[in-house]
Order: sequence, then C-alpha cells, then structure tokens
Amino acid sequence: EAGVAQSPRYKIIEKRQSVAFWCNPISGHATLYWYQQILGQGPKLLIQFQNNGVVDDSQLPKDRFSAERLKGVDSTLKIQPAKLEDSAVYLCASSPLDRSYEQYFGPGTRLTVT
Amino acid sequence: QKEVEQDPGPLSVPEGAIVSLNCTYSNSAFQYFMWYRQYSRKGPELLMYTYSSGNKEDGRFTAQVDKSSKYISLFIRDSQPSDSATYLCAIFRVEYGNKLVFGAGTILRVKS
Repeated sequence: EAGVAQSPRYKIIEKRQSVAFWCNPISGHATLYWYQQILGQGPKLLIQFQNNGVVDDSQLPKDRFSAERLKGVDSTLKIQPAKLEDSAVYLCASSPLDRSYEQYFGPGTRLTVT
Repeated sequence: QKEVEQDPGPLSVPEGAIVSLNCTYSNSAFQYFMWYRQYSRKGPELLMYTYSSGNKEDGRFTAQVDKSSKYISLFIRDSQPSDSATYLCAIFRVEYGNKLVFGAGTILRVKS
C-alpha cells in the first residue's frame, strides 16, 4: 500500500513570497490533515478535512494560510505572504474515516523563509 | 500547562540497553495513546497505539499506559543503533473534537 505522498520535499523562499504544498493521501483514507512542525517541537494541527469538507481549521492563520481538498482526494496548502516564523516542516497525514486516531504521515515539506 | 509533556532529552544509551521514554498528560478526555518514531528529515512513523491502561507489546517495543496517573511509557528492549531517532508521544482527544495532541519528542541516541 502506497503511503502519503508530498511535494516538494524542500522549498526556500523570501519573506512576503507565496508557496504551495501538495499532498496525496493513502488510497481510501477519507480524512486528511495538515500539520506544522517547528524544529524541536511536536507537530501542530493546522487543518483537518473529511472528504472535501473542513472539520477543524481553528489553528490555521487564515490571514495568510489557505488549504483546499479537491474531490476529496489530493490537497494543497498555500502560504501567502510568507513570514520568517513560517519556517518549519509541513506534514500531511491521513486516516481512515472510522479511526481518526490512526494517522499516517507523509515525509513532509521543509520550508525555509529568508 | 501543556496538554502533553515529554522530556526532550537527548537520551544516550549503549547498544543493547533497555530504553524508557515517558510522557505525562493533563486531560482525562484523552482516549488513545500513540507512539511515533521520527528519523531525521522524515515524517513521523506510527509505531504502536493503545486504548486502555496496561501494557501492549510489539516485538522489542512495549507501550504502557497508567490512566490513573496520566502517564504513558514506551520501553525498547535490546536497543539498536537503528533505533536512534526522535520518539513522539501523541494522545488522541475526543472531547472538543477529535484531535491528536503531540509531545515535543525525545531524541534517542543508541551508541554502538
């Protein structure tokens, strides 16, 4: 079974630029998550989708971050404009609909904002 | 107070040692208790999870939960250099929406 795919793996941008990350979850997983992991910390949930609807985006900085999940499969996370403090690893995870506690992570995208 | 507390380490042990990794949590609404392993520049990998108090064993790994003390542990027997990684505890909260809350992770180094 293929795991969660993410791209790009690395991205370096200047502050105030925009950036987008892509995620393809495990086949059949209805729930998709985006997490932010700052160096030395555990992942923090940004947004959770169930199929193509948003379940929880309470921790998403909506003035600069946006996310969508087209057709309930792939998802993109966008930052516009980026700030220095957005430097982090952005992780995508997915889980089966009936086992949200069982989350499987992709390799992440390491973002550096200069 | 953080919902999940985890000593960041680093924890350095010789090969073959028994490793004990621990977390405490504050919210009794937490129901599932997970351990993830994260190698450098990789995503977290789900090692094992448990629901109830007690022990759960999987090969060299044993997860232990004490709900009365709000304390969880991961034991690694016969530790290997390949076990060197960051270990994240994560606890699934059902109250106020289903949410996985992570500790900060403990860095483990197993020396050969």
